[in-house]
Amino acid sequence: GQNIDQPTEMTATEGAIVQINCTYQTSGFNGLFWYQQHAGEAPTFLSYNVLDGLEEKGRFSSFLSRSKGYSYLLLKELQMKDSASYLCAEMDSNYQLIWGAGTKLIIKP
Amino acid sequence: GAVVSQHPSRVICKSGTSVKIECRSLDFQATTMFWYRQFPKKSLMLMATSNEGSKATYEQGVEKDKFLINHASLTLSTLTVTSAHPEDSSFYICSARDGDPQETQYFGPGTRLLVL
Repeated sequence: GQNIDQPTEMTATEGAIVQINCTYQTSGFNGLFWYQQHAGEAPTFLSYNVLDGLEEKGRFSSFLSRSKGYSYLLLKELQMKDSASYLCAEMDSNYQLIWGAGTKLIIKP
Repeated sequence: GAVVSQHPSRVICKSGTSVKIECRSLDFQATTMFWYRQFPKKSLMLMATSNEGSKATYEQGVEKDKFLINHASLTLSTLTVTSAHPEDSSFYICSARDGDPQETQYFGPGTRLLVL
């Protein structure tokens, strides 16, 4: 099967750090994407991992472990504008994106 | 990153009419474009994949005669919702990819369709 699991909702405090986990199950794997989606808007690309390890891009980092079928998105120095849904998407053997349902991140002052 | 535009951003139409949504890649050539549909608080649902110059590949359960897709050039794809009904009301989002299948998909801003 091709199940993408991520938490439905998370709450964090402005200035803090939050980690959003994503697990996937697939017989073929061609990379793991993270997208950010603000309410009422289309997703915007955040990161792409195809090899194991941590990719850092400013305040956002993404990690991948292929053997564990696991990824996380790490957001540092949280800002109120980071309140959004974060979508995990796995690219399968047919190069199609399989989407998770998204994690709604709520930032509190 | 690459820019993808969609037009219109919002459309309201009467039941039974047809609506055309355009998706353009502004600064790259999109060999492949994707059309998604998203219901409130739901994940993106892939409707179809189109490659420039060839017929679109529709996902199971998506009516190709109802959702007409044309990818006539490397920078433009259109989705036409024919004989729209209220249940077609949704957020339609296109994305475009340049070159290799592993390339990132960049999304348009989306079109909110309301059928009365």
